Formats: sequence, C-alpha cells, structure tokens
Amino acid sequence: KAGVTQTPRYLIKTRGQQVTLSCSPISGHRSVSWYQQTPGQGLQFLFEYFSETQRNKGNFPGRFSGRQFSNSRSEMNVSTLELGDSALYLCASSLVTVETQYFGPGTRLLVL
Amino acid sequence: GIQVEQSPPDLILQEGANSTLRCNFSDSVNNLQWFHQNPWGQLINLFYIPSGTKQNGRLSATTVATERYSLLYISSSQTTDSGVYFCAVESGTASKLTFGTGTRLQVTL
Repeated sequence: KAGVTQTPRYLIKTRGQQVTLSCSPISGHRSVSWYQQTPGQGLQFLFEYFSETQRNKGNFPGRFSGRQFSNSRSEMNVSTLELGDSALYLCASSLVTVETQYFGPGTRLLVL
Repeated sequence: GIQVEQSPPDLILQEGANSTLRCNFSDSVNNLQWFHQNPWGQLINLFYIPSGTKQNGRLSATTVATERYSLLYISSSQTTDSGVYFCAVESGTASKLTFGTGTRLQVTL
C-alpha cells in the first residue's frame, strides 16, 4: 500500500505570495492532519479534516486554510506569506481518528 | 492545553549502547505515539501506546498513564537509530496530536 505523498517537496516563495500544498493520504484513510515544523516552535498542529469537514484547528492566523476533497486528498493554502512561514509542512493520515498517524515526507517551504 | 516534556534533549551514544528516553505529559491522554524523525525529515511511527508495554525488535515502550509518563527503550543502538525521537499525545476529544520538543539522538561508531 502506498504511503502518504506530499507535493511539492520543496518550494521557494517571496513575501506576500500565496502557496498551496497538496497531500494524498494512504488509501482508505479518511482523516488528514497538517503540522508545521520550525526550529523555534517545533511541531505544531495546523488542522485536521475528516470526510471533507474540518474537525479541529490549531492556533494559526486565518492566512492558513485547508480543505479536503471527496477522495480524502487534502490541500492547505497559506496566503500573504511571511518570512516566519518558512518551515517543513507535514501531512499525516489515519483511518478515522488521529490514532496511529502516518506521515508524509513533508514540503519544505522557504519564504524570501 | 496539555503540556508534553521530553528528556534528555540530546543524547550521544556509542554503537551497541542502550538508552531510555522519557516523555512526561500534564493531563490524561487517550492516545500516545512515539515517532522517529530521520535526518531527511521523515517522521516514522514507532508505537501507538496510550498504556501498557509494547516491543518491536530492539525498541520497546512503556506508558504508565496513571503517572503520566512514557518511556522509549532503545537497545543495542545502531547508527541508523540517529535522529530525533518525538512523543505525541492526544487528550480528550481534541482530534489532534500535541508533540513534545523531542530527544535528539546521535549514535557514533
């Protein structure tokens, strides 16, 4: 069974631009979560989707948004990028709840 | 929200040595997972262990939920064990994982 895939793997943007990251969960998994990892703040929860509904959201500004499609694939969007948005963005999938989450390889975003 | 503390923050071992990593959490949990992040950033799920003891090869984990801590044991460490080990918990109906700050392990020859 294929693992969680994320695209793109690397991304360079400039301040003020927007970016969309994509995540394809393991087949059959319906829960998709997103996390941001930075050296200063560590791993922080962004949001979690199940059956196209956002079930939980972390403490991030409204510039961070996401959605989930009927095939469980998910996208997250960051608008008006700031330098501090430079991070590794990780997507994780699980069957129903966040029990036993499986992570993708991540997208490294650099904002210049 | 729930607080998760891991110790030690850094650990250097020689190949073949054993180690114990600790995770303390501030509230009751219904989900606890241990992850290994390799140097390329990939997070690998090691254990789902909200309570009790599990073993997988050279790795084992124990969670004492009533005392709010979990331990990860690595025996006969290898250089491929290097990386950062994270403990993550879910509390209540939060439907999210809260991660600790990690233990960075370096295994040398």
